Amino acid sequence: DIQMTQSPSSLSASVGDRVIITCRASQSISSYLDWYQQKPGKAPKLLIYVTSNLQSGVPSRFSGSGSGTEFTLTISSLQPEDFATYYCQQCYSTPITFGGGTKVEIK
Amino acid sequence: EVQLVESGGGLVQPGGSLRLSCAASGFTFSTYWMSWVRQAPGKGLEWVANIKEDGSGKYYVDSVQGRFTISRDNVKNLLFLQMNSLRAEDTAVYYCARLRLGYCVSGSCSGWFDPWGQGTLVTVSS
Repeated sequence: DIQMTQSPSSLSASVGDRVIITCRASQSISSYLDWYQQKPGKAPKLLIYVTSNLQSGVPSRFSGSGSGTEFTLTISSLQPEDFATYYCQQCYSTPITFGGGTKVEIK
Repeated sequence: EVQLVESGGGLVQPGGSLRLSCAASGFTFSTYWMSWVRQAPGKGLEWVANIKEDGSGKYYVDSVQGRFTISRDNVKNLLFLQMNSLRAEDTAVYYCARLRLGYCVSGSCSGWFDPWGQGTLVTVSS
């Protein structure tokens, strides 16, 4: 199974900050990496698929990059509605696996 | 509007069974792979199972293999998860999700999940 490791597990940031979340895979997954946002009590929402493709309706302040085993999610200017938990997920093989999550909190 | 609505969750004793349903609308259900993903209270996300468009292929995480069965009714646009021999560690919110295909090998496909249902809580406890 492919293990996905996110860092940090949590962070505190202010509105307007640039935020970078890292996701590492235990083996190469090419570009098959996706990102989700989850708010308390809600279902996850797809943000980015296959490393850098922005899902329809997702603000352009979200971007993704990387390849192989190392990937990043960048929020260019954090907005109040972005405080949430973010998960990466590899879509290269089954079992499909997720990172442990990064909780973005208000500083 | 694409919509997924789960039902069937509840409290069940260890060793018991439960059947979850997911009603799909707003898209051609029979042309998509579908999935179940779960989230234990306060924990992260765990993929549970995938099913091919026509139901001919079913894939499971090891921890539920032999206990859970994913199925679908493409006439009624319904996805199911039959859960038997339930354990305390199966306690979670169960989400159904449409699977958008990523990489496929030997008929088994991975992918990303969009959209997700609102989830249904399964609690396994005596």
